[in-house]
Order: sequence, then structure tokens, then C-alpha cells
Amino acid sequence: DTGVSQDPRHKITKRGQNVTFRCDPISEHNRLYWYRQTLGQGPEFLTYFQNEAQLEKSRLLSDRFSAERPKGSFSTLEIQRTEQGDSAMYLCASSFGGAANEQFFGPGTRLTVL
Amino acid sequence: TQLLEQSPQFLSIQEGENLTVYCNSSSVFSSLQWYRQEPGEGPVLLVTVVTGGEVKKLKRLTFQFGDARKDSSLHITAAQPGDTGLYLCAHVYNFNKFYFGSGTKLNVKP
Repeated sequence: DTGVSQDPRHKITKRGQNVTFRCDPISEHNRLYWYRQTLGQGPEFLTYFQNEAQLEKSRLLSDRFSAERPKGSFSTLEIQRTEQGDSAMYLCASSFGGAANEQFFGPGTRLTVL
Repeated sequence: TQLLEQSPQFLSIQEGENLTVYCNSSSVFSSLQWYRQEPGEGPVLLVTVVTGGEVKKLKRLTFQFGDARKDSSLHITAAQPGDTGLYLCAHVYNFNKFYFGSGTKLNVKP
């Protein structure tokens, strides 16, 4: 399967714990996006990378959130000191070339903070 | 960001019925995209519309971009249970970021 993959698919954690999610984009894609989606809403942009450079960060991405894409391939999204409001689906997408090109989404990581 | 309002929020219909969902804004867009998202999965791109008044067809789905490029509609003919999902419209802003509407949740009952 050469689509976008995300790991884990589900994560349950207690408030205050740190969590890390991984995204493996389609191999030739240079752009990688992270989104957050809560129930009943569309995805909200969090951040995006072009190759290994993080070029945009949403104001939604507080200091507790950090994302990396160290070699321009896979990416990680870490949330420190999780809060109940962080409970959501975290989606990763990748694309090749310009912003208007098709994004391919992964299946997401469902985070539940107890 | 430029708000995208989608309506209706929820739609439950019988198999075989026709339906239309809408994506509206007060802003002009260079393009709009439509996605379908099934439960537990990421959104999948259905179509991109770029020209005012443009109509695109994808089997039983017909997409229209408003003449003023502020709104778009998706019409489904003879809906099937496989059409069930969350339909999202989105636009690109600041060249790099995508803004999504809140979606229309469609349920097609057999």
C-alpha cells in the first residue's frame, strides 16, 4: 500500500501525559500537512512542511505542540502535557508540488484524553 | 481565513432520492475543492472547481462553481448507501493552507 499511513490509529492517554504520533507520507511527496478534526467539524490546519522545513504554523498550535520532519520523509507530532481539549482526530496529508495539487490524507490518529 | 458555510449540516434520505448540498461564502475564491470522508478515514478529494460557472460531473455527482466564485453546490442523483459520508468543501488560502467547511453529514438508507 503506497498511501499515507499514520500510527497509532487510536491513542488513549491520561491528562498531563505526552503523546507522539507518526505520519509516513507518499514517498515522492514533498509537502506534508497536519490537521486536527473534532466531532462534527471539518479538519483545521495545524502546520505544514515543505521537505524538512516547517513553513507554516497555525495559532491553534500552542507551545505544547511540536512537529518535526527531520529528513523530509516521515513526520512526528508531539503533544506535551495533554489536556482533555486535545481529544480529536489528528490527520496527516501529503502532496507533491504546489498547494493547489491534490492532498492525500492518511486515516488519522484518534486521540482521547481522559 | 475566509469562512465556508455548508448546508445542510445533516441529511438523511432514502436510496434512490436526489439531493443537493451547498458551500457558501461572502469571499471570492480562485478554486474550491470537494472531499468525501467516511467514518474513521481521512477525506478523499472528489473534485476541484476553478472557473466561475463551471460544472463538473463525476458519475452521479455534479459539482457547480458559482458564477461569482463565492459558492458551490454538489448534486447527487439517485443516491446509494455507498454515498454515505461527510462531504466537505475547502479552499486554499495564503498559497499553502487549506481551510475546510464544517461539512454536510449524509446518510443514505437502503
